[in-house]
Amino acid sequence: KNQVEQSPQSLIILEGKNCTLQCNYTVSPFSNLRWYKQDTGRGPVSLTIMTFSENTKSNGRYTATLDADTKQSSLHITASQLSDSASYICVVSDGGATNKLIFGTGTLLAVQP
Amino acid sequence: DAGITQSPRHKVTETGTPVTLRCHQTENHRYMYWYRQDPGHGLRLIHYSYGVKDTDKGEVSDGYSVSRSKTEDFLLTLESATSSQTSVYFCAITGTGSPFGYTFGSGTRLTVV
Repeated sequence: KNQVEQSPQSLIILEGKNCTLQCNYTVSPFSNLRWYKQDTGRGPVSLTIMTFSENTKSNGRYTATLDADTKQSSLHITASQLSDSASYICVVSDGGATNKLIFGTGTLLAVQP
Repeated sequence: DAGITQSPRHKVTETGTPVTLRCHQTENHRYMYWYRQDPGHGLRLIHYSYGVKDTDKGEVSDGYSVSRSKTEDFLLTLESATSSQTSVYFCAITGTGSPFGYTFGSGTRLTVV
């Protein structure tokens, strides 16, 4: 069964600190992996998209890594800000005709002053 | 997000009544999607459209129907609302390029009482 699992479920950090969120997937075939940020009451917003051949991609203070061999990805947030408080969702695409997305349940990050 | 709007943003309805949610895009994109988001679950695909009058089912389509008579509008109808359909509903569109980027609307919070 295609699954995307994220850890931890929730995380609290102090402003200015770094953190790393984890994503493991069992999706086959694999086309690409995406990280989204979802603020409370809003839709998900794309942070990064990585294909099979990419093992790292950055978007400002967000850096995603991908190990396609072990089927793991991480999202590293540097110098966290209060505005980083959100749910971070890992999404894997099987690249089929409908480009089906399999969503993780997200990691809820709270950044405290 | 710019280019995609959902209406209404919030709705409370009674069990057994029909409900229609609207997604409107100004990007002229071919693909449109309806997802639902529930606690403990990743976003799950209800229906999608790959063109005017061209739609197909997703993984949780029972109890839902869709219509797309114009490129810009994708309607989701709950034929007879049930409490299990209480959820947050997101519309999404995909852009051009590979891999496709998804843009999500801000969501509709539906409560069935």
